Parts: sequence; C-alpha cells; structure tokens
Amino acid sequence: DAGVIQSPRHEVTEMGQEVTLRCKPISGHDYLFWYRQTMMRGLELLIYFNNNVPIDDSGMPEDRFSAKMPNASFSTLKIQPSEPRDSAVYFCASSRQTLQGWSTGELFFGEGSRLTVL
Amino acid sequence: AQSVTQLDSHVSVSEGTPVLLRCNYSSSYSPSLFWYVQHPNKGLQLLLKYTSAATLVKGINGFEAEFKKSETSFHLTKPSAHMSDAAEYFCVNTGGFKTIFGAGTRLFVKA
Repeated sequence: DAGVIQSPRHEVTEMGQEVTLRCKPISGHDYLFWYRQTMMRGLELLIYFNNNVPIDDSGMPEDRFSAKMPNASFSTLKIQPSEPRDSAVYFCASSRQTLQGWSTGELFFGEGSRLTVL
Repeated sequence: AQSVTQLDSHVSVSEGTPVLLRCNYSSSYSPSLFWYVQHPNKGLQLLLKYTSAATLVKGINGFEAEFKKSETSFHLTKPSAHMSDAAEYFCVNTGGFKTIFGAGTRLFVKA
C-alpha cells in the first residue's frame, strides 16, 4: 500500500512567485495535516482537515498561505507570494479517526517538500 | 490542558550503551502517546504508541517506552544504541482533537 505522497520533493523559486505543494494521503484516512519544519522553529502544525473540511488553520502564518482539500485523495498548500522566510521542509501527514471522530494520533508522514525561496 | 515536554534537546551516547530519551505529558483526557523518529532528510516514522493497554510498549528497532501515570512520563529507552539510531525523536500527545508534538530530542551515537 502506498504511503503519503508529496510533490514536488524539492522546489527552488524566487521571491514573489507562487508555490503549490501537493499531497496524496493514504486511502481511507480521515485526517490530513500540513506541517512546516525549520531549524529555528522545529515542527509546526499549519492546518489540518477532517473528512476534507479544514478544522484548525490557526497555524497558518499569514494570508499568503492557503490550503485546500477538494477531495479525500488530494490536498494542496499554496504560498502566494512566496518569501525567503518561507524556506522550509513542508510535510503532509494523514491518519485514521477514532470512533469518537478524533485523530488516532498515529500519523503517517510523507517524505516532505523542501522549499527554497531565493 | 494538553501538552508534551521533551526534557533534553540533545542526547549523546556511545554505541552499545543504553539510550534514554525523556518525555513528560499533561492531558485532560486519557492520553494517547507516541514516539516518532526522523532520520536526516526523511519524514517522521512511528516508533511506538501507547493507547491505554499495556504500560510497557515495545516498538520497532528495539525501542520501548513505559507509561507512568504517577510521574506523567513516557520515556523512550533502548538497551544498546546502534549507529543507525542517530536521528531526531519526537514525543507526541494526542487527546481530543489536538495532536501535540514535543520539540524533539536529537540523538547522537558515538563510535
């Protein structure tokens, strides 16, 4: 069974350009999470979805960041316009939910998208 | 309130010696606790999980963790470190709709 698939693995772009990161979660998973990881700030939760609905986007740093999940098998994280301080590794993760509807907490991570904004 | 605290940002051990990575938690709910490992340039991988069954949990690669409610701890141990264990380790607390990651502990293994 395929794991969480992220693309692109590496992206180098110039300041001001639009960046779109993509994620395909594991089939049957109910939760999808977007994280950002940097040396300075560690692992930060940006946003998460439950059954394609955004539940908590309080971690999204600015209006330049947006995320969508049009269906159960695809999500995007978009940065427009990008800035050098957005350089980081962006991880997507998915999980199943419990009978109560919470995430089980057992997250399956993709390999990450390394973004460099010049 | 729900939280997780990893008590050491860095731990250094010699190959063949025991590993101890410390994690304390607080939770309003019965906690579900996890340890994840991240090798360089890789995503995070689940090592083990505690979900209110046995208090001693065995994971992959010889790691185990003991849930101690009285101490609100979930420390990760391994009897003998291997060079391939060098990585960053994250303790995670899940309760309700929140999944809280610790700040991470980087494990160095010296030959």
